[in-house]
Amino acid sequence: NAGVTQTPKFRILKIGQSMTLQCAQDMNHNYMYWYRQDPGMGLKLIYYSVGAGITDKGEVPNGYNVSRSTTEDFPLRLELAAPSQTSVYFCAISSGLSSGANVLTFGAGSRLTVL
Amino acid sequence: DQQVKQNSPSLSVQEGRISILNCDYTNSMFDYFLWYKKYPAEGPTFLISISSIKDKNEDGRFTVFLNKSAKHLSLHIVPSQPGDSAVYFCAAKEWAGAQKLVFGQGTRLTINP
Repeated sequence: NAGVTQTPKFRILKIGQSMTLQCAQDMNHNYMYWYRQDPGMGLKLIYYSVGAGITDKGEVPNGYNVSRSTTEDFPLRLELAAPSQTSVYFCAISSGLSSGANVLTFGAGSRLTVL
Repeated sequence: DQQVKQNSPSLSVQEGRISILNCDYTNSMFDYFLWYKKYPAEGPTFLISISSIKDKNEDGRFTVFLNKSAKHLSLHIVPSQPGDSAVYFCAAKEWAGAQKLVFGQGTRLTINP
């Protein structure tokens, strides 16, 4: 997972609390993504960004917010945490070339539990 | 609406034999398909991809086959090794816009010695 750093690795939240999951990259890639993985459900896209100052919703954006003020950082904000947000969160990056497979490089993940 | 489906949650294979993981998709606008491998407590890592204009791509022990008419792809691993035990995700890339990847549910592969 070289190049993508996620913090924290683990966190337990109480219902209604807020927190920010951090994602930082050192590969100077324009495209950044946040996915969540639930058991048996694969990876679902929460938000993505194609460059600094540009963000857009993915498949499951409700309850989350993002910002992209720099190329390097793409934090994911959880407001008013709910048990349904218990999941493993993965940040990913890609060069976003218009041709090719757009291979994503993933971070190691952040495991969040909401009680 | 699940655009990419992996219908087998798990697969168990003897070491040295062939492992075949399957994936189905519904969207004809996908232009690339990818396979990712994931070990516990790690992020997914890219394994192999195939363009929608190809029907086969090979990389060492790993071969991906694409059947566009059936909207089906498969990953073949031969010979299977204990280190191949992991969860395998199939993913498909949208050809336009942000080129997002849509993932299947994953298949847990266990290689038995």
